[in-house]
Amino acid sequence: QVQLVQSGPEVKKPGASVKVSCEASGYTFTSYDINWVRQAPGQGLEWMGWASTHNGETNEAQKFQGRLTMTADTSTNTAYMELRSLRSDDTAVYYCARSPRLLRPSALDIWAQGTMVTVSS
Amino acid sequence: EIVLTQSPGTLSLSPGERATLSCRASQSVTSRHLAWYQQRSGQAPRLLIYGASNRAKGIPDRFSGSGSGTDFTLTINRLEPEDFAVYHCQQYHSSPGTFGQGTRVEIK
Repeated sequence: QVQLVQSGPEVKKPGASVKVSCEASGYTFTSYDINWVRQAPGQGLEWMGWASTHNGETNEAQKFQGRLTMTADTSTNTAYMELRSLRSDDTAVYYCARSPRLLRPSALDIWAQGTMVTVSS
Repeated sequence: EIVLTQSPGTLSLSPGERATLSCRASQSVTSRHLAWYQQRSGQAPRLLIYGASNRAKGIPDRFSGSGSGTDFTLTINRLEPEDFAVYHCQQYHSSPGTFGQGTRVEIK
């Protein structure tokens, strides 16, 4: 079946980097963009950006520019999100979710289970 | 950036009742690029509605979306126990694809 599965929880110190993976299965990987959305504890959802699995194009929210890298490996059907210079307010559950490339912009139709990233000294 | 404001913050209803949730945008969301997601406690969000009024695959017909421009509504007819959750709206017309702050539908 169609699914996205993310890597496990992470604990990082302020100033460090974190890299979260998102493995896709059950569909043609390159037909969908991978979006990254985060949710701080008790808060709403925050869209971070998307990466094209077709040609590597990315589009990130301005607040993350310079700190966020989104990539995709078509040989393993896996997308990656790396966030650098972590601060305590980056503590959140990070989700990947797909959207149809040819219908861009589009809603996020399949979500992964999420990865908890805790930033603490 | 388009700001989405959802109301009410919390809706207290009984099973079988109708829920009406509002999502208001600070600017017009053209092409009706507005989605609704359900998030049950401890789970990832799930797409319910896209294009303001189109149900996603597998979503029961008690869920319906309407609206255009700056005002959008999610209606849930005959609430089932599994419908008590948080609902988020999202506009994906312009970048960044912003979300509302969510409406919690709780059991009265």
